[in-house]
Amino acid sequence: GENVEQHPSTLSVQEGDSAVIKCTYSDSASNYFPWYKQELGKRPQLIIDIRSNVGEKKDQRIAVTLNKTAKHFSLHITETQPEDSAVYFCAVTSNSNSGYALNFGKGTSLLVTP
Amino acid sequence: DADVTQTPRNRITKTGKRIMLECSQTKGHDRMYWYRQDPGLGLRLIYYSFDVKDINKGEISDGYSVSRQAQAKFSLSLESAIPNQTALYFCATGVLGAGELFFGEGSRLTVL
Repeated sequence: GENVEQHPSTLSVQEGDSAVIKCTYSDSASNYFPWYKQELGKRPQLIIDIRSNVGEKKDQRIAVTLNKTAKHFSLHITETQPEDSAVYFCAVTSNSNSGYALNFGKGTSLLVTP
Repeated sequence: DADVTQTPRNRITKTGKRIMLECSQTKGHDRMYWYRQDPGLGLRLIYYSFDVKDINKGEISDGYSVSRQAQAKFSLSLESAIPNQTALYFCATGVLGAGELFFGEGSRLTVL
């Protein structure tokens, strides 16, 4: 499947600081790039996504940027709060003859300390 | 609330046993997926189905099989469980043309 590299694997920030998580992918045909948040003991949930015809998307304190030429995209969280502590996964669509499925990165464990 | 329901939520079994994890959804979505989550490895795709007659292997399908009994039901089977299949398994649903996947609460499987 589509190779998705996610960095860093762990990230610790002080409350109020910004956090950035980066992902790279290999398939230039990929066209959908979501980010999921998984709180401890919970299911993953979509927090923001971007499609290949857009370079940046914002939703309050979170934003995603996409560089299709370099094949990487990033999640930016500003003014971090303790409730932002979770595991974050990037994902990329891989197109096949049957349609598409999401391939996920290995995750980033974010800890926001008060 | 329309949701994605997985059963059982927790299961402990022994090596060699047959196990079935079931997933049902009330979202009316046509696409259903099974993912496996292991610490440090993220979510890996086992199988996916785009409608009742469509089944596709993911990146780690060996040792697993699936059945799409109806649009709303997608089950995952381990014919002969082994300890390295110990993991958290998630079912997810989605719709054609939209990107978001909706996950169930997960089924934690331990194979002794």
